[in-house]
Amino acid sequence: QSALTQPASVSGSPGQSITISCTGTTSDVGGYNYVSWYQQHPGKAPKLMIYDVSNRPSGVSDRFSGSKSGNTASLTISGLQAEDEADYYCGSYTSSSSLDVFGTGTKVTVL
Amino acid sequence: EVQLVQSGAEVKKPGESLKISCKGSGYSFTRDWIGWVRQMPGKGLEWMGIIYLDDSDTRYNPSFQGQVTISADKSITTAYLQWSSLQASDTAMYYCARLSSVFYGVDYWGLGTLVTVSS
Repeated sequence: QSALTQPASVSGSPGQSITISCTGTTSDVGGYNYVSWYQQHPGKAPKLMIYDVSNRPSGVSDRFSGSKSGNTASLTISGLQAEDEADYYCGSYTSSSSLDVFGTGTKVTVL
Repeated sequence: EVQLVQSGAEVKKPGESLKISCKGSGYSFTRDWIGWVRQMPGKGLEWMGIIYLDDSDTRYNPSFQGQVTISADKSITTAYLQWSSLQASDTAMYYCARLSSVFYGVDYWGLGTLVTVSS
């Protein structure tokens, strides 16, 4: 069960937009619209930000959006704010396992 | 309000056994899958396994099969993660998580249980 591939770090200035990629295979990201994204601040539990590729749970800012093209899903944060500085993980259903798979994680830094 | 309440931090010696818990409340706990996720210091999230509370159907990540035991007691809406012989490499934060019944993914997380194994 291989982890999905994410960049180790992404940074941006306040107000800018950044995009985090999550690359898998046709057995997971590319084969199904079942990608979720989680935000994790230091010392805190993860929090769901996006589900089913592009849906936001109630209470999540509309500055967060998700999309997918082929085997790569993306999370875009627009109007970057200091509070967005955190680790972000993608997750996906996979036909290769009875368990979902997480991405390797991306540290977002607000400059 | 849905809550997953995990047991407190543990400090153990190598070779000792341990069982940590995750109690659900605020929803029909028995009709959901509850999973355990490991996060080693400074590292990412890893699924260890999941359990269906109603009938204790359990699925393991092959990497953890045989290393831990996941169980549940639906009468008290609690899931467990157990080790028979801890190793220093088991030092990590362990989160329980509820798999959504509406989409693929986790909709609720526990706050985590920090397990430290040191001689």
